[in-house]
Amino acid sequence: GAVVSQHPSRVICKSGTSVKIECRSLDFQATTMFWYRQFPKKSLMLMATSNEGSKATYEQGVEKDKFLINHASLTLSTLTVTSAHPEDSSFYICSARLAGGYNEQFFGPGTRLTVL
Amino acid sequence: GQNIDQPTEMTATEGAIVQINCTYQTSGFNGLFWYQQHAGEAPTFLSYNVLDGLEEKGRFSSFLSRSKGYSYLLLKELQMKDSASYLCAVRDGFSGGYNKLIFGAGTRLAVHP
Repeated sequence: GAVVSQHPSRVICKSGTSVKIECRSLDFQATTMFWYRQFPKKSLMLMATSNEGSKATYEQGVEKDKFLINHASLTLSTLTVTSAHPEDSSFYICSARLAGGYNEQFFGPGTRLTVL
Repeated sequence: GQNIDQPTEMTATEGAIVQINCTYQTSGFNGLFWYQQHAGEAPTFLSYNVLDGLEEKGRFSSFLSRSKGYSYLLLKELQMKDSASYLCAVRDGFSGGYNKLIFGAGTRLAVHP
């Protein structure tokens, strides 16, 4: 149980294009999902908290107009990187919080974005 | 401010025991997690502490002292597959109920034969 998927696993795009990443909780409902980015050999940096049916809460320094988050259902959140640039190349990981128990977050397998 | 410190790298021998320390200073506290992350993969949950003391789970144990802002992860009977990064994360108790995690930079553990 508590499986989170992400799609795509890898994406290469040209500078200036937009990329959408999907995060799905496969066997549980998640009212709250989180989006992180991770640079090589660095830890996870929280970008935003996504709540079903409401606006995402962005961390300081994260541009909400560049990183669009939509949490349209209890099992799906999407992150769209708009007008991507090479500096947006990173490993993007989502997590979904399982209510009850430890309330721990279960992580998706990540999406490797490379912007040329 | 929020600060979580872990050693950057550690090495150990197969079959040995290793302890990875984590100290934290956060505005709120609602539990401490340890995650394992292999290169290029997502973190996987290892342990959770919210009260002081030791939690044991097979070859892994985690300890917490809230008064000292300190935790450690103990790995016994090390195996080669334990070579990975180990992330200490504190759940912030003051984030509007969302309980977001604040991660340390991670400790890269290399296990040698």
